[in-house]
Amino acid sequence: IAGITQAPTSQILAAGRRMTLRCTQDMRHNAMYWYRQDLGLGLRLIHYSNTAGTTGKGEVPDGYSVSRANTDDFPLTLASAVPSQTSVYFCASSDEGGGVDEQFFGPGTRLTVL
Amino acid sequence: GQNIDQPTEMTATEGAIVQINCTYQTSGFNGLFWYQQHAGEAPTFLSYNVLDGLEEKGRFSSFLSRSKGYSYLLLKELQMKDSASYLCAVIASNYQLIWGAGTKLIIKP
Repeated sequence: IAGITQAPTSQILAAGRRMTLRCTQDMRHNAMYWYRQDLGLGLRLIHYSNTAGTTGKGEVPDGYSVSRANTDDFPLTLASAVPSQTSVYFCASSDEGGGVDEQFFGPGTRLTVL
Repeated sequence: GQNIDQPTEMTATEGAIVQINCTYQTSGFNGLFWYQQHAGEAPTFLSYNVLDGLEEKGRFSSFLSRSKGYSYLLLKELQMKDSASYLCAVIASNYQLIWGAGTKLIIKP
């Protein structure tokens, strides 16, 4: 593994289903982030974690949950997917939290909720 | 509210120079990033400004004026591979990044 990986690459999901997007980094970064990117809008922060064992809410957290059991993994769960959650989801990491460090992004997961 | 404005799209010619502007109104300011994003790919870091002035890095330079809430990214000697979206992001007072919608740059031969 080099950098950040995300899985799956893309997914079509029926509304109401539960879905977990996976994110793993091998850079030993302390901070990790989940963003969604929608056409015509900037990246919007869903949840973040400044260090293993802690998480925080971003700008658009409703309908999503995260966990950070260890340094490397930061899964994002949609408990009951809705069509408005159709988006491209990017996981990112940085050496330290607080936003002042360069963020490294994974390749993204394209999610369609029908 | 918090807002970052960038032009939606710009067109330039290979070999030329282009300036992409970004204006921001945010609750606090702790720095500004520029990222490049090719279509269908992840954003990648270009530059970081926290003090007023110009930061130069090869063909790319970034300028910041905190009093004016303004930054620009300057790309020189444009190459076809520079065709991409350029994202401006501000570190707000809560230390979360606020992102602009991005400027799609089209390079013509």
